[in-house]
Amino acid sequence: EAQVTQNPRYLITVTGKKLTVTCSQNMNHEYMSWYRQDPGLGLRQIYYSMNVEVTDKGDVPEGYKVSRKEKRNFPLILESPSPNQTSLYFCASSSRTVNYGYTFGSGTRLTVV
Amino acid sequence: DQQVKQNSPSLSVQEGRISILNCDYTNSMFDYFLWYKKYPAEGPTFLISISSIKDKNEDGRFTVFLNKSAKHLSLHIVPSQPGDSAVYFCAASPNAGGTSYGKLTFGQGTILTVHP
Repeated sequence: EAQVTQNPRYLITVTGKKLTVTCSQNMNHEYMSWYRQDPGLGLRQIYYSMNVEVTDKGDVPEGYKVSRKEKRNFPLILESPSPNQTSLYFCASSSRTVNYGYTFGSGTRLTVV
Repeated sequence: DQQVKQNSPSLSVQEGRISILNCDYTNSMFDYFLWYKKYPAEGPTFLISISSIKDKNEDGRFTVFLNKSAKHLSLHIVPSQPGDSAVYFCAASPNAGGTSYGKLTFGQGTILTVHP
């Protein structure tokens, strides 16, 4: 089944403790992206990647890091999480050969206390 | 700076009637537009899209209209069904050729409730 898989689904952590949210896709898509969803703000793009080793900032990149060492994986790294990064995070992938935009994962609910 | 705006946080419609969801954008570079639907505890799923070379695209009960001069698009659902109750996001891309180039900007979303 074609899908985007992100883990964990739920995560509670403390301020300053580094964490990584993993994302993997099995569709051989060249594009991958991370979004966060917050009430009243919709989905905001954090980072996106056009292919292996090629990434670019989205609209809200501060406090986040990404890497694209393999085509299928695109982890999101929070080096020093803060409470304002408490949010619902979505990983997504896409290809220039399709016209339906991104295929999204099921989301990761992150709480930073 | 919200480049894609959905000014109605919620919409309530009776089953069988038309639902009209609206979206405005400010960036003239946007040339490909999409609507996504999102249920609770799931990721958004693609619904319908439209390229800037068109002003209308239909897919079953769903029709998207694009007014480039007004920088406005709308999604019509006819007839509305209770299963259509979800959050609807519009999204825009500076993306000639009808494919996603990675930079996809979303609106705030509109919660649609269809009452039986």
